[in-house]
Amino acid sequence: EADIYQTPRYLVIGTGKKITLECSQTMGHDKMYWYQQDPGMELHLIHYSYGVNSTEKGDLSSESTVSRIRTEHFPLTLESARPSHTSQYLCASSGQGAWGEKLFFGSGTQLSVL
Amino acid sequence: KQEVTQIPAALSVPEGENLVLNCSFTDSAIYNLQWFRQDPGKGLTSLLLIQSSQREQTSGRLNASLDKSSGRSTLYIAASQPGDSATYLCAVTGGFKTIFGAGTRLFVKA
Repeated sequence: EADIYQTPRYLVIGTGKKITLECSQTMGHDKMYWYQQDPGMELHLIHYSYGVNSTEKGDLSSESTVSRIRTEHFPLTLESARPSHTSQYLCASSGQGAWGEKLFFGSGTQLSVL
Repeated sequence: KQEVTQIPAALSVPEGENLVLNCSFTDSAIYNLQWFRQDPGKGLTSLLLIQSSQREQTSGRLNASLDKSSGRSTLYIAASQPGDSATYLCAVTGGFKTIFGAGTRLFVKA
């Protein structure tokens, strides 16, 4: 079965700090995504990538940035965290193959900014 | 702009009951439709994926149907169990974007 990993699982941090949320997948998928989800609400796409050196902004405005230097790695960075950034961040990937563009999700990072 | 709506928002049923969750979408130009399960505070687990050319998919006690022309999908859960309690999300993919519904929160009572 496919694997996609997110670290840290939980993060509590003070306002103004720089943070990086890590996401890695071992499936060789070309497409990767970051979603933001508040409790009881739908997922909103904040960034996506078609492949190495490709990044695009999603539908939800976000002050975060992403990079895609390696196929398997898609980190998300907040330069200066604020309480409004408190949310769950979910990373996902998909690609051609037996799963037919099935989306695979990591376990998420629950971020709390004090 | 694609919009995905799920009805009902919440559902509570006794164990053993068969149930249907509904999903509707506004733009029929989709590549596929997926149903996911999400447990509290966790990521999403894909349950079923229906390609745009397909009408339904089955996995165990789960059956999902797709009617692109009417913009609807249903997830049928047979003989529900307490372990089925979770939020079920519908998502449609067009191009490189996947749009999610807000989900149906299901509680199965023992």
